[in-house]
Amino acid sequence: EAGVAQSPRYKIIEKRQSVAFWCNPISGHATLYWYQQILGQGPKLLIQFQNNGVVDDSQLPKDRFSAERLKGVDSTLKIQPAKLEDSAVYLCASSPPGLAGAYEQYFGPGTRLTVT
Amino acid sequence: AQTVTQSQPEMSVQEAETVTLSCTYDTSESDYYLFWYKQPPSRQMILVIRQEAYKQQNATENRFSVNFQKAAKSFSLKISDSQLGDAAMYFCARGPNRDDKIIFGKGTRLHILP
Repeated sequence: EAGVAQSPRYKIIEKRQSVAFWCNPISGHATLYWYQQILGQGPKLLIQFQNNGVVDDSQLPKDRFSAERLKGVDSTLKIQPAKLEDSAVYLCASSPPGLAGAYEQYFGPGTRLTVT
Repeated sequence: AQTVTQSQPEMSVQEAETVTLSCTYDTSESDYYLFWYKQPPSRQMILVIRQEAYKQQNATENRFSVNFQKAAKSFSLKISDSQLGDAAMYFCARGPNRDDKIIFGKGTRLHILP
């Protein structure tokens, strides 16, 4: 079974530039998550999709971050404009249908973003 | 706010010895799930073990076991016969709550001493 794919793996941009991350979840997984993990901390949920609908985006800085999940499969997360404090690893995860929290989340390798 | 607390930012254990990582959590729910995830350096996060709150029996996966104390809201991870490959960040997580969201602790970095 193919895992969660993310690209790019690394990205360096200057502040005020824009950046986009892509995630392809495991086939059949209805729930998709984007997390921000700052160095030395645990993952913080940015947005959770159930199929192509948003379940939770309460911690997404909506003035600069946006995310979409096309046709309930792939997802993109965009930052525009980026700030220095956005430097982090952005993790995508997916879980199978059902009560999302009950099931294991499968994580992708992450995208390490450095904002200079 | 619902929280998950890992009070040990770093721990070290001698290879082949046993180590216990602690985790406490807050919830008003009666039915929920608890997880321990492992994140090796520069590698993907993977699930180590999962516990369902309505089950009395502590979960076990090979050398990994938990001590789940529901009344105390405590969920510690015991690693027996520690191996060099166990070196990683370990995250405790709780979910779901009413919003079906998983919450992660800040992690414990485990060092294995040869």
